[in-house]
Amino acid sequence: EPEVTQTPSHQVTQMGQEVILRCVPISNHLYFYWYRQILGQKVEFLVSFYNNEISEKSEIFDDQFSVERPDGSNFTLKIRSTKLEDSAMYFCASLGGRASGELFFGEGSRLTVL
Amino acid sequence: RKEVEQDPGPFNVPEGATVAFNCTYSNSASQSFFWYRQDCRKEPKLLMSVYSSGNEDGRFTAQLNRASQYISLLIRDSKLSDSATYLCVVPANTGGFKTIFGAGTRLFVKA
Repeated sequence: EPEVTQTPSHQVTQMGQEVILRCVPISNHLYFYWYRQILGQKVEFLVSFYNNEISEKSEIFDDQFSVERPDGSNFTLKIRSTKLEDSAMYFCASLGGRASGELFFGEGSRLTVL
Repeated sequence: RKEVEQDPGPFNVPEGATVAFNCTYSNSASQSFFWYRQDCRKEPKLLMSVYSSGNEDGRFTAQLNRASQYISLLIRDSKLSDSATYLCVVPANTGGFKTIFGAGTRLFVKA
């Protein structure tokens, strides 16, 4: 069964450092997402990406965040200067088509900012 | 009204019980709705889609009430393995493919 893969599974970083989280979506999917879930809280939408550009982003997704799909395979989330409050689980998801509606999630990357 | 709102629970039920969760949504233009299941510290996984009035899959039934803008999830004959958080998910219909997750309802099924 095709799956979304994410690396690293856990990253510990110092406040102010740059972090890149990587995702390989399902190969024939067209829509890509990053979500964040702070421990014990809800899954929060960060950004959606379609046709090699951001299609929508939330208020959380400020100038410290960026996404790109540099090689048509990997989909990355970069946090330029991490803050303590960026500590969370970051989930990548992909969607085959709007009609299907099913988001396929990766297992997540847990980010701990010290 | 919040975009997607759920009763957080927790619901504590014995094995074999029937339990129902509700979810309300604010965007009357939403056409599709989803229930996801999330186990502790795991990724959400699709449980059911709801496009019309409802959907049934084994012990699980989802119903949609467009007039009142809520969807429900009914679990019959609860199993221990049903213990999880159930997430109501609604596309935002903002043109950017955003989907909104409810905060989730926690279910504990006890022997």
